[in-house]
This record gives sequence, structure tokens and C-alpha cells, in this order.
Amino acid sequence: EPEVTQTPSHQVTQMGQEVILRCVPISNHLYFYWYRQILGQKVEFLVSFYNNEISEKSEIFDDQFSVERPDGSNFTLKIRSTKLEDSAMYFCASSAKLTGLFEGTQYFGPGTRLLVL
Amino acid sequence: QKEVEQNSGPLSVPEGAIASLNCTYSDRVSQSFFWYRQYSGKSPELIMSIYSNGDKEDGRFTAQLNKASQYVSLLIRDSQPSDSATYLCAVNLLTGGGNKLTFGTGTQLKVEL
Repeated sequence: EPEVTQTPSHQVTQMGQEVILRCVPISNHLYFYWYRQILGQKVEFLVSFYNNEISEKSEIFDDQFSVERPDGSNFTLKIRSTKLEDSAMYFCASSAKLTGLFEGTQYFGPGTRLLVL
Repeated sequence: QKEVEQNSGPLSVPEGAIASLNCTYSDRVSQSFFWYRQYSGKSPELIMSIYSNGDKEDGRFTAQLNKASQYVSLLIRDSQPSDSATYLCAVNLLTGGGNKLTFGTGTQLKVEL
């Protein structure tokens, strides 16, 4: 069964360093997303991406964050200068269609646990 | 404030019983509704999606949606210890980009032997 994959599974970095989190969405999906979950808190939307551009972003997704689809399979989240409060589990998700439509269900990857020291 | 609210629990039920999980949402333009299961340290795993008022059944799971009351629920019949997890209610709004899921804090379910 097709699934979303993410690398690395864990990443430890120093405050101020840049990190890139990588995702391979399900192959025939067109919509891609990043969410994060701080330990003990709820899953929060960061950004959605379609047709090589951001379609929606949250207040969390400030200028320190960027997303890119560098090729036909990968979808990346870059944090330019990490802060302590960026420590969280980051989930990539993908859907075949708009989530408001049937077949728009979002499927989540296993996540990358980011720890900023 | 657009929000999704769930009782954090824990909800404890004996093995074989029916577990009832509830969720309310504040935004009337919410379009589609999802229940995800999340084991500790793992990612959300889709259990059910529901788009229209009424009941939707899939195996031991039944989702119920009442848009007038802004309420969605999940029933788990014949609960098993493997059902012990946190159940996340997620709501999609048609406004904005139409793709954002807003999650509740989740209800922790414990199925006891």
C-alpha cells in the first residue's frame, strides 16, 4: 500500500542552524502539507502546497520556514535558523484532491522528531 | 476563534465494550470531518472520514455527524486493547485554501482487560 515517507526520523541540531526535513508523498497525490506537533500538544497545520506553490500557510509558518518540491518526488521543509521552540515532531501529509472533496483525505508520514539544543 | 474541542480523557472502557468519543467544532463552514488514531510517538492514522449528516459505518467503527449541532462522534464497538490510543478529531474548512485540517487535542482511550 502506498505511503508517505519522511527522512530523517530524528534530527538533533544546534540553535541557529538550518535544517531540511524531507518527505516523499504518495506518488499520485497532488497536494502536500506540513504539520507539527509539540510534545503533549495538538497537531498544528503549517503549510499546504499545490502546483508548485504555497496554497495556504499558518501564522507559525513565518519567514524562517520555506517549502520546496525540488523534483518529481520529494517535498522539503527548511527551517533557516532554528529556535528552541521549533523542537517538535514534524509530519508531512499528502492528498489526491482538495481535502474538502471526496478522495481529499490527508495521509500522514511517520514524522521527523526535531530537537533543537 | 475556529476551534475543535475534545475531552482529553482518559476514557477507560472494558474490553468488548463500546467506546464513544465526541468532538465539537466552532466554525459552521466546516466541510469534512476526520477521525485519526495516534499511538504514542507515532503519526496520525486515518480511521474514518465523514462528509454528510448521519452515520457512516466501517467495521467496528461508526462516525456520526450532526452539522446543525456542530458535533461529530466516533463509536468503537467491541473495543480491543489494541484500540488504546489517542483519537484525534480533525475538521476541514472550505474557506482559505480549503486544505487545512484543524485538529482537536485528542481523547486518550484506554481499553482494559
